[in-house]
Amino acid sequence: QVQLQESGPGLVKPSETLSLTCSVSGGSLSNDYWAWIRQPPGKGLERVAIYDAGRVTYNPSLRGRATMSADTSGTQFSLRLTSLTAADTAVYYCARHVYGRGMAVWGQGTTVTVSS
Amino acid sequence: DIQMTQSPSTLSASIGDRVTITCRASQIVNNWLAWYQQKPGKAPKLLIYKVSTLESGVPSRFSGSGSGTEFTLTITSLQPDDFATYYCQQYDNNWTFGQGTKVEIK
Repeated sequence: QVQLQESGPGLVKPSETLSLTCSVSGGSLSNDYWAWIRQPPGKGLERVAIYDAGRVTYNPSLRGRATMSADTSGTQFSLRLTSLTAADTAVYYCARHVYGRGMAVWGQGTTVTVSS
Repeated sequence: DIQMTQSPSTLSASIGDRVTITCRASQIVNNWLAWYQQKPGKAPKLLIYKVSTLESGVPSRFSGSGSGTEFTLTITSLQPDDFATYYCQQYDNNWTFGQGTKVEIK
């Protein structure tokens, strides 16, 4: 059974860079889609980035600030988000999306607050 | 990106009510449409994928229908555990979500 666990700094200053990691157990990054989804306080869900067997697509609203990567062991993937502003304050989830289905597996989410 | 519009934004209902939530896409999504339930402080939970296929373990009172650009999520007899926010998601072309529908107690 696939399980996901996010880790991150919690509090980041404006203009700095956020680094998040999602640890994967019970699954392989070579199969299915793996994603970062975020949810600002009191708002809806927004895709940040999607990883598909080495290819990554990003939400264009992030204007090139995001980089998603997978480690060579295939047991974790990461998100780097630069030039942070208060608008990046959100709960960040990692998720697994099985081809043709939806995101049946999610991490518990990690809260990121951008504040000086 | 494909825009997904849900209605209503908030829905007040009683236990046992039949509830319907609508999701409209700005273009055809080829049936790659999922529904999620989210409770406060929790990650979303997949309910339905490919418009109408129930995820394993999801009660049969949940159902999905639709095609093209218009889709619905129906709860046939609302239970206490169903008060939550529901999101549709298209995964035909990148992924986008509806803005959510909060189902609250009447």
